[in-house]
Parts: sequence; structure tokens; C-alpha cells
Amino acid sequence: ETGVTQTPRHLVMGMTNKKSLKCEQHLGHNAMYWYKQSAKKPLELMFVYNFKEQTENNSVPSRFSPECPNSSHLFLHLHTLQPEDSALYLCASSQAGRTSGANVLTFGAGSRLTVL
Amino acid sequence: GQNIDQPTEMTATEGAIVQINCTYQTSGFNGLFWYQQHAGEAPTFLSYNVLDGLEEKGRFSSFLSRSKGYSYLLLKELQMKDSASYLCAVRGELTGGGNKLTFGTGTQLKVEL
Repeated sequence: ETGVTQTPRHLVMGMTNKKSLKCEQHLGHNAMYWYKQSAKKPLELMFVYNFKEQTENNSVPSRFSPECPNSSHLFLHLHTLQPEDSALYLCASSQAGRTSGANVLTFGAGSRLTVL
Repeated sequence: GQNIDQPTEMTATEGAIVQINCTYQTSGFNGLFWYQQHAGEAPTFLSYNVLDGLEEKGRFSSFLSRSKGYSYLLLKELQMKDSASYLCAVRGELTGGGNKLTFGTGTQLKVEL
């Protein structure tokens, strides 16, 4: 256990479905991130939240909609996805605002999404 | 732009030493990280370098040369459980978005008997 919990671990959905991925961290961090991990590709940063405010949207299609109700929880709402969106979606957290030192990102185990 | 290169796959023998290289070209530099990721699990933090030189942590060491845009991860006394993907990541320019890392594709290490 890393202190970052993601649910569900596996999700299969059709292109017309609406589903959500959930991330919760128990580390007292105040920055949270969504990354996408596809086979043979680097982790791609999708969204960053600092103190519940979105500070980064890395040109992500609007069919992915993040929500951060508080510093401990992060959601990724999914709607009208495409088969190429099938991937492992990783959530991470860290301290916000620190620009010195390691300020390590702690990752969850990911949600494996398959879009049919 | 951001570009991070590392080998796709490596194979080594149990008990041996292996070096995984990473080269990077990024806008700004504020630290280089190595993560280990076993299949189906979370990436876990291994090491952090921000100044040139070698950082040693048990069986794992990481080296950085900022002038060459180069790092390596050195794994000694390899064990079967070291079979995993090793991710190199760079924290580039510090912006309002804070602590953003750019990752390489990862190096899949297979440790054999």
C-alpha cells in the first residue's frame, strides 16, 4: 500500500457509457495528479490539482472530466470514450508549492480501463 | 520540448550488476527521478538527483551529469524480484502547475538465473 488508493482497479465500458475513476490519498498531500499509461509509451500527464484548484490541463479531450472536491480525493469522469482511450490511469499525490527538495510523487496502483 | 530516452528492455543475471541509462532534453531542470514499477502495481520511488554525482541507497545507486543531460541507475547484487520496469523522469521548469514530471517510456529489466 502506497497511501494512494484507486478504485476500481479494472473497468470495462462501452463507448456510450458514463463511468468515474476515484482516487483517495491518506498522506496529507495537497497536490493530486492524473497520468495515463499506455503500452510502450511514456506516462502522460493529464491533469494537476494544487489545493483543489486545477493548475494543469495537458490538452486532454473533454470526454475526460476531472473533479477534486478536497485535497484528499480526485475523480476522473469518463463519457463517450474511444477504444484508443484504453489504458492504465494512474493517480499520484505530492506536497504542493514546494520547489526545493525531492517532493516525491506517490502513485496509486492504477485503474485499468478497457473501452469496447 | 521534453524528450527522455532510455532502453526499452534489458536482461541480466541474478547476482550481477546492471546499469540503466537515461538521457534527457528538457526545458529547464529541477531534478531527475527513478521509479520502479512491477507489473500491475504502482510506480514506487527509488532515487532523486538534482546535483551532479552519485547518490547511493543500498543496492541501488543513481548518477547525474547535468551538462551531458545524462543519468544512470545502477543495480547491484541483482535479485529475481528486481525484474520490473524502471522509469526515468525529469522535473523541468517550475511553473504555476508545480511538481510536474516528464517520464521516459521505461526500461523493462528481466533478471534471469
